[in-house]
Amino acid sequence: DSGVTQTPKHLITATGQRVTLRCSPRSGDLSVYWYQQSLDQGLQFLIQYYNGEERAKGNILERFSAQQFPDLHSELNLSSLELGDSALYFCASSVAVIRTGELFFGEGSRLTVL
Amino acid sequence: GENVEQHPSTLSVQEGDSAVIKCTYSDSASNYFPWYKQELGKRPQLIIDIRSNVGEKKDQRIAVTLNKTAKHFSLHITETQPEDSAVYFCAADPNQAGTALIFGKGTTLSVSS
Repeated sequence: DSGVTQTPKHLITATGQRVTLRCSPRSGDLSVYWYQQSLDQGLQFLIQYYNGEERAKGNILERFSAQQFPDLHSELNLSSLELGDSALYFCASSVAVIRTGELFFGEGSRLTVL
Repeated sequence: GENVEQHPSTLSVQEGDSAVIKCTYSDSASNYFPWYKQELGKRPQLIIDIRSNVGEKKDQRIAVTLNKTAKHFSLHITETQPEDSAVYFCAADPNQAGTALIFGKGTTLSVSS
């Protein structure tokens, strides 16, 4: 158990819909990262938050947005869903904004868009 | 931004053989290079990492080498065991404002007994 909690574990929805994925970081970790894992694309970096502020942005689609709340949990919002958005979405956390050690990953949220 | 290429995408070895996975990166500012192992249906977990001021690091049966001049690094697993079967990801991190830990596309290692 990494200490990072992600909900829901599985989600099935239809094209055009909107979903919210939730992540609670390890106790004491201030940085939260979101990664998308598709079959052929490995782990694609989406976005990083540190203590409530956006710190780095990857190839995150405009239909996607995220935020980190004062209690440090984070939510990733995916809207106008397309078939290609089906993937495993990982949240990870670390203590600091600078990555000098391990990122602790949650178990992931598997999104299926039908 | 940083780009990480990883080869091979699949690797099959016999138990007891060695396995080598190679990665190249593009951003010369990258200074942190971790390797993650992801077993089937599980989350990625760090197995070893190396920083730019070190050329090689070993931890029991696994080792990582780094060549900063050539911008490539490798994972070496000796005396492979069936439980080593997993997807292995290399990553590179410039550790500067606005940057992130960028992963390669992964290598699926299969160790047959």
